[in-house]
Amino acid sequence: GAVVSQHPSRVICKSGTSVKIECRSLDFQATTMFWYRQFPKKSLMLMATSNEGSKATYEQGVEKDKFLINHASLTLSTLTVTSAHPEDSSFYICSAREEWGNSAYEQYFGPGTRLTVT
Amino acid sequence: EDKVVQSPLSLVVHEGDTVTLNCSYEVTNFRSLLWYKQEKKAPTFLFMLTSSGIEKKSGRLSSILDKKELFSILNITATQTGDSAVYLCALPLTTNAGGTSYGKLTFGQGTILTVHP
Repeated sequence: GAVVSQHPSRVICKSGTSVKIECRSLDFQATTMFWYRQFPKKSLMLMATSNEGSKATYEQGVEKDKFLINHASLTLSTLTVTSAHPEDSSFYICSAREEWGNSAYEQYFGPGTRLTVT
Repeated sequence: EDKVVQSPLSLVVHEGDTVTLNCSYEVTNFRSLLWYKQEKKAPTFLFMLTSSGIEKKSGRLSSILDKKELFSILNITATQTGDSAVYLCALPLTTNAGGTSYGKLTFGQGTILTVHP
């Protein structure tokens, strides 16, 4: 099956600094990638849809200036958490969409990035 | 508004037991229903269901969809401790404009399954 990687897998940063997380589709091209965050024992919450070559679409309540998304190529999307604060500590997961047929599709998830802001 | 509800929220069983996890949904424009298993990291794909009444099977796991009653079940037979995980059900969202976005998934709350030896 398709593989999506994320880097780094774990990062600890100080409050006020910025952190960049990379999401790569390794063996397929992904025109669309998605960024989720997940709090402990909670389900995944979609933050934004990243479209190659255009601006990301953010979900309601997600600050676009705080969570900068760049989808510069068909295999790479980055999420930058700017001026991170302890409340940004979370598990961030990306996924990339592989599509076939007329109505079927599947998303492949990256392994996730655990961000801890001290 | 699209909605996905899973039950139970948590389940504790012993090895060898059979479990049934439920996912009910309300979506404006149904396309498919996906089941995922999540352990310590990101979710891994289990099944995609698009047609009613056709069982999908993979080893001890199976799933079926009922599009009339708007639900799906995930069965795990002869459970093992390695089955302990969060099981997530997800459906594609419909955009506000009324079109269909194949990419955006609405997740249910998940069912936390714990299998004791």
